[in-house]
Amino acid sequence: GPKVLQIPSHQIIDMGQMVTLNCDPVSNHLYFYWYKQILGQQMEFLVNFYNGKVMEKSKLFKDQFSVERPDGSYFTLKIQPTALEDSAVYFCASSSGTGENTLYFGAGTRLSVL
Amino acid sequence: GDSVTQTEGLVTLTEGLPVMLNCTYQTIYSNPFLFWYVQHLNESPRLLLKSFTDNKRTEHQGFHATLHKSSSSFHLQKSSAQLSDSALYYCALSDRYQGGSAKLIFGEGTKLTVSS
Repeated sequence: GPKVLQIPSHQIIDMGQMVTLNCDPVSNHLYFYWYKQILGQQMEFLVNFYNGKVMEKSKLFKDQFSVERPDGSYFTLKIQPTALEDSAVYFCASSSGTGENTLYFGAGTRLSVL
Repeated sequence: GDSVTQTEGLVTLTEGLPVMLNCTYQTIYSNPFLFWYVQHLNESPRLLLKSFTDNKRTEHQGFHATLHKSSSSFHLQKSSAQLSDSALYYCALSDRYQGGSAKLIFGEGTKLTVSS
């Protein structure tokens, strides 16, 4: 089936540094999402993105977070600067926006902030 | 706000026994859409079941669930557990199913472990 790829699978950085998480969504999909999952807790919605713009964001999407998808390349989540509480698994997802609007997820990037 | 509750964090079963994973939800939407996603170890969460029709059973890969709006429930069931069913199961809620953003609200997840 359709696949969403996330790079890298694991990222370790020092607190205060910048990190960019990369997502290669399903090729014909138009809507893109980031979810955050702290160890042992549920996946929580961060943001969705369509037509070059953030459509909706949750209170977890702090000012230090930003998303973009320049020229149809990777859909990225940037955190600058990182904080200890940003340690989590970040899941990228995409959907077509039409028909049976199924959300397809990547395998996640585990971010460890030290 | 909207929320999804999965009461069991961990379910351990012997192969061949029936599976029932609970899911209840709260929402302001009169026509919610409910989903079950399954995540095997080191894999992506993937859609298992979906429903938006009240009191209609939906089935896929041996699993079934029925959306009951009267009780705000969407429990996942299977008649006989298999070793390969061991995974994380997430119940999720959306306010729409077709068109536009497919944003989901997830429950806490239930880890199902099936042993021989």
